[in-house]
Amino acid sequence: ETGVTQTPRHLVMGMTNKKSLKCEQHLGHNAMYWYKQSAKKPLELMFVYNFKEQTENNSVPSRFSPECPNSSHLFLHLHTLQPEDSALYLCASSQVGSANTEAFFGQGTRLTVV
Amino acid sequence: AQKVTQAQTEISVVEKEDVTLDCVYETRDTTYYLFWYKQPPSGELVFLIRRNSFDEQNEISGRYSWNFQKSTSSFNFTITASQVVDSAVYFCALSGISSNTGKLIFGQGTTLQVKP
Repeated sequence: ETGVTQTPRHLVMGMTNKKSLKCEQHLGHNAMYWYKQSAKKPLELMFVYNFKEQTENNSVPSRFSPECPNSSHLFLHLHTLQPEDSALYLCASSQVGSANTEAFFGQGTRLTVV
Repeated sequence: AQKVTQAQTEISVVEKEDVTLDCVYETRDTTYYLFWYKQPPSGELVFLIRRNSFDEQNEISGRYSWNFQKSTSSFNFTITASQVVDSAVYFCALSGISSNTGKLIFGQGTTLQVKP
């Protein structure tokens, strides 16, 4: 297993569906992140988890619900999404402490809401 | 507030040309980290370099070089003798120590197209 793994790679869902994105890191890091990348927009931070605790919610709508059961796994639960939520969702991990290391990213989940 | 600006939206060069990608940042933190990432069409962000605010030495890694200047709050990235495989979106990012979360603030990205 290498780095940061995200599943699924592609997801198409209807506005009434419920789905979950999964992220797993094998780097022993203590922080995990969800970022959203929409077309023609910069990467936007959504959530931050440090030592399994959510430390930042960047004003994300409640139809996105994160879950971090342990320091290696991060989920993003999706329900009643809108077409404008279609984007690439990237998970990352890093080691945070006296010095912040670089973040390692998964390959992303390309989400299409129809 | 923290902000990263990459003024160049798209750059197109011919193979073997040198190209510089600009990055300007704003932060009130005295300790911070700057990064460059490459995003090929596959979507994954590939880490290229990390620089802390106390280390202004320029760095060279093969055809890549970085010029960090605190006086102008810039962290520019130069690719020498560009190749078609360098075609990608490049992101500059900032992480301030004050947040203590390791979150990254990204610039808008620069799309580099290298033509054969």
